[in-house]
Amino acid sequence: GAGVSQTPSNKVTEKGKYVELRCDPISGHTALYWYRQSLGQGPEFLIYFQGTGAADDSGLPNDRFFAVRPEGSVSTLKIQRTERGDSAVYLCASSFGYNSPLHFGNGTRLTVT
Amino acid sequence: SQQGEEDPQALSIQEGENATMNCSYKTSINNLQWYRQNSGRGLVHLILIRSNEREKHSGRLRVTLDTSKKSSSLLITASRAADTASYFCATDDGNNRLAFGKGNQVVVIP
Repeated sequence: GAGVSQTPSNKVTEKGKYVELRCDPISGHTALYWYRQSLGQGPEFLIYFQGTGAADDSGLPNDRFFAVRPEGSVSTLKIQRTERGDSAVYLCASSFGYNSPLHFGNGTRLTVT
Repeated sequence: SQQGEEDPQALSIQEGENATMNCSYKTSINNLQWYRQNSGRGLVHLILIRSNEREKHSGRLRVTLDTSKKSSSLLITASRAADTASYFCATDDGNNRLAFGKGNQVVVIP
């Protein structure tokens, strides 16, 4: 079946601009996660949804970052007033929830110039 | 903060040899998972071991967990060139939020 889909695969934006990153999870997966990965590092947790609600957003670095999952399926990660330090690969994953492995998309590589 | 810490960071081996990676963590866990990542791709789940399990096998993979030492190991037997990738351990503290280590870069030389 189809895996986790993330669009766009690459995004280049200027400092100060707003960006939206989209994640389409595996059908039937109730849990959805956003991670951020910098070069040479492991993924860093940002936010986790169970259904439509954000169950844990403790990883969001500041209030410029926001994510939604209005219908419990597709999710959008929104970054306002982008900074060069936001440059990274943003990974989305989905799962059946508790004690289940995560299925990752290929990520969106965000470059802020 | 990163929970898992893999050791060694980079490993280069000949095809057919075994590769062993270790991971240590600091807090109590519900389960520990290992993932593989090929360059430019997302992570692929390899194996999940629960806190009450000590060893688990999946094909050529063998994972051990020692909760008293807060450590885990991943063994890949009879390595192949296709095993070249980065390998990450990740811990779940029961809050359904995985904390990943920095990863091990493994290169298998044909």
